[in-house]
Amino acid sequence: GAGVSQSPRYKVAKRGQDVALRCDPISGHVSLFWYQQALGQGPEFLTYFQNEAQLDKSGLPSDRFFAERPEGSVSTLKIQRTQQEDSAVYLCASSFSGANNEQFFGPGTRLTVL
Amino acid sequence: QKEVEQNSGPLSVPEGAIASLNCTYSDRGSQSFFWYRQYSGKSPELIMSIYSNGDKEDGRFTAQLNKASQYVSLLIRDSQPSDSATYLCAVNTSGGSYIPTFGRGTSLIVHP
Repeated sequence: GAGVSQSPRYKVAKRGQDVALRCDPISGHVSLFWYQQALGQGPEFLTYFQNEAQLDKSGLPSDRFFAERPEGSVSTLKIQRTQQEDSAVYLCASSFSGANNEQFFGPGTRLTVL
Repeated sequence: QKEVEQNSGPLSVPEGAIASLNCTYSDRGSQSFFWYRQYSGKSPELIMSIYSNGDKEDGRFTAQLNKASQYVSLLIRDSQPSDSATYLCAVNTSGGSYIPTFGRGTSLIVHP
């Protein structure tokens, strides 16, 4: 079956622009996670959904970051008024049930803010 | 702050040798432990999960967990150049929503 997909794969934004990153999880996976990965670092947790409910958003760095998963499947991570420090790879992962289970990652979106 | 520590490396081993990758964690209540492999420019790929003390083997990979000492390790037997990658340790925190915390990864280089 298809794995986790993300789009776009690459995004270049001018500082101050809004961006929207999309994640399509593995079909039937209940849990969905967003991570931010800077060069040379491990993924940093941003937010977690179980179905359509956002159970944890403690990792979102500022109120410019917003995520949704309205129908419990596809999720969108939106960053408003992008800043240079937002430049990173944004990874989406899904798991069959809860956060305690194995996660499968999408290819990521590389965001560059100029 | 719940932490997961890994030596960033690089760890260099000759082809055919055993590569040993280590990870320590601070949260005593952690229940789930994962090893991911990440090739340069790619996303993490799950290698193994381990939930109880002891060893778990899968092909050339063995994960070892010691909760009393708060460490988890990954052994790669008969290392191949294609194993050259960054290996990420992830530990699910206890309490709340059990969100995984990732280490920064250890870079492994297997040279012919």
